[in-house]
Amino acid sequence: GQNIDQPTEMTATEGAIVQINCTYQTSGFNGLFWYQQHAGEAPTFLSYNVLDGLEEKGRFSSFLSRSKGYSYLLLKELQMKDSASYLCAVYPGGYNKLIFGAGTRLAVHP
Amino acid sequence: DGGITQSPKYLFRKEGQNVTLSCEQNLNHDAMYWYRQDPGQGLRLIYYSQIVNDFQKGDIAEGYSVSREKKESFPLTVTSAQKNPTAFYLCASKGSYSYEQYFGPGTRLTVT
Repeated sequence: GQNIDQPTEMTATEGAIVQINCTYQTSGFNGLFWYQQHAGEAPTFLSYNVLDGLEEKGRFSSFLSRSKGYSYLLLKELQMKDSASYLCAVYPGGYNKLIFGAGTRLAVHP
Repeated sequence: DGGITQSPKYLFRKEGQNVTLSCEQNLNHDAMYWYRQDPGQGLRLIYYSQIVNDFQKGDIAEGYSVSREKKESFPLTVTSAQKNPTAFYLCASKGSYSYEQYFGPGTRLTVT
């Protein structure tokens, strides 16, 4: 079967760094997404990794290891507005069906 | 402005009634998707369509139906056969040569 695991909840302090992990077991692999979703809103795209390594975009970075079935999202200089759910999603084969993890709810405190 | 619209944002229905959720996009995307999201769970795929007049079942299609008569539109009907229809419904679309799915604002359906 297809499975994506993320921690359910995390808390962090404003200005700090937080790492959200994602592990996946899928029949194939055509790329991994991270989306941010504020409560009651649509997910918004953060990153897409298809090759191993680290991709950096401003305060957000995403890492992928295909051999380990592992990714993480790194958020630096946390702000209150970063309080949201972070969804990990994988294309298990082709570019039609995305498989989503349950999401990690991040709470940033002053 | 290009984008995906879903209306209404909140929808209330009585049990036993069918209800249709709208999804329209002007991004000229070929593929469109419907997801359901429940509290504490990820997005689950209901139906998807890669071209006009064609669609496939996703992981949780029972109790739902769709049509794709126009490229821009992919309405979802929640039928009375759906046992637990109260949820947040998200529509998405994707271009043929892109990997990213773009999401609409969602419709929160409450059935009592």
